[in-house]
Amino acid sequence: NAGVMQNPRHLVRRRGQEARLRCSPMKGHSHVYWYRQLPEEGLKFMVYLQKENIIDESGMPKERFSAEFPKEGPSILRIQQVVRGDSAAYFCASFPGQGVSEAFFGQGTRLTVV
Amino acid sequence: GENVEQHPSTLSVQEGDSAVIKCTYSDSASNYFPWYKQELGKRPQLIIDIRSNVGEKKDQRIAVTLNKTAKHFSLHITETQPEDSAVYFCAGAGGTSYGKLTFGQGTILTVHP
Repeated sequence: NAGVMQNPRHLVRRRGQEARLRCSPMKGHSHVYWYRQLPEEGLKFMVYLQKENIIDESGMPKERFSAEFPKEGPSILRIQQVVRGDSAAYFCASFPGQGVSEAFFGQGTRLTVV
Repeated sequence: GENVEQHPSTLSVQEGDSAVIKCTYSDSASNYFPWYKQELGKRPQLIIDIRSNVGEKKDQRIAVTLNKTAKHFSLHITETQPEDSAVYFCAGAGGTSYGKLTFGQGTILTVHP
């Protein structure tokens, strides 16, 4: 599962700046899920995307957060006007498709808002 | 939506002992239950999973049991080793999309040599 690539691994932003997190799924995987992990907590589902489509964004905060998975290139999680409470580890998981199979997690991006 | 509760939050055992972590879920439509191990600063890694058509699954020192009626599932680690020390998360998913997981709060397992 080293094939799920996230970058950057660490990101420091000042309050009010924008954060862009990237996720390249495993080869052949067309489904991407983003999760957020606050310190000492479990992972919380944010959004599920397929190429050029947002399938389920029920876990996304209503404001400042957006996600996309273009036809070409990685999936992007974008956080505008970051606040200290956005500091967390953001993981993406790649999936080959619906059905019985395992989700593979990337190494995560640790966002620190100062 | 689904809610997954995990207990205990911390578990300390001696090397060679067994460790048991329990989870309950709320959505009877959930049919996939993976367990992840996460070491400090690293990604969650799948260690074992079970689907709702199976009551028990074993892989060497690790086993998982599922009680659909009671909506709970458990992780059993036998002959624990210090390298088993980590945070363990249970999760549940339903329908045909096994990527949308609801995670438990995690159990910090410490295995003392």
